Amino acid sequence: DVKVTQSSRYLVKRTGEKVFLECVQDMDHENMFWYRQDPGLGLRLIYFSYDVKMKEKGDIPEGYSVSREKKERFSLILESASTNQTSMYLCASSHGTLNEKLFFGSGTQLSVL
Amino acid sequence: GENVEQHPSTLSVQEGDSAVIKCTYSDSASNYFPWYKQELGKRPQLIIDIRSNVGEKKDQRIAVTLNKTAKHFSLHITETQPEDSAVYFCAAPVSGSARQLTFGSGTQLTVLP
Repeated sequence: DVKVTQSSRYLVKRTGEKVFLECVQDMDHENMFWYRQDPGLGLRLIYFSYDVKMKEKGDIPEGYSVSREKKERFSLILESASTNQTSMYLCASSHGTLNEKLFFGSGTQLSVL
Repeated sequence: GENVEQHPSTLSVQEGDSAVIKCTYSDSASNYFPWYKQELGKRPQLIIDIRSNVGEKKDQRIAVTLNKTAKHFSLHITETQPEDSAVYFCAAPVSGSARQLTFGSGTQLTVLP
């Protein structure tokens, strides 16, 4: 089975802190994604990457950046955390194009105080 | 970009009854429509998908129908069971993208015993 592992299940940070969310997948997938999940808003794409060192903005990239130095690892960075970034963050990976399913991590619930 | 609207946001049914969740999309060129199920506290998982060259696909108690003319697709769950209780998300490709999906806002399905 594909494993998509997120480094933290719960995280509490202070406003203004720099926050790193890490995601690792073990199936050599080209594509990796960061979504944010909020009640009533579904899953909104923050950034995605289809290759090492490649990144593309999703629907809500403001306040976030990403890093993909190795194929298996995709990091989401909050340069200066704000309270409106309190949310559930889900990482996902997939192979090839849209006809391949997304494999999600178990999520990181981030609280910014 | 693609806009996906999902209804209803909440749905309660008696065990054994059927449940139907509907999604509409805006891009007539969209050709792939997956459905994801997220149980409480767990990660979203693909349960069924349909491509635009077919009008219906079934897998045991779940089915998806696609009406390309009207630009909507629906998830049908028959003989519902308590373990069907979850949040269901539909998705469609982002216009012009071969790898990105945009998700609906989700439907909380509750199956009452």
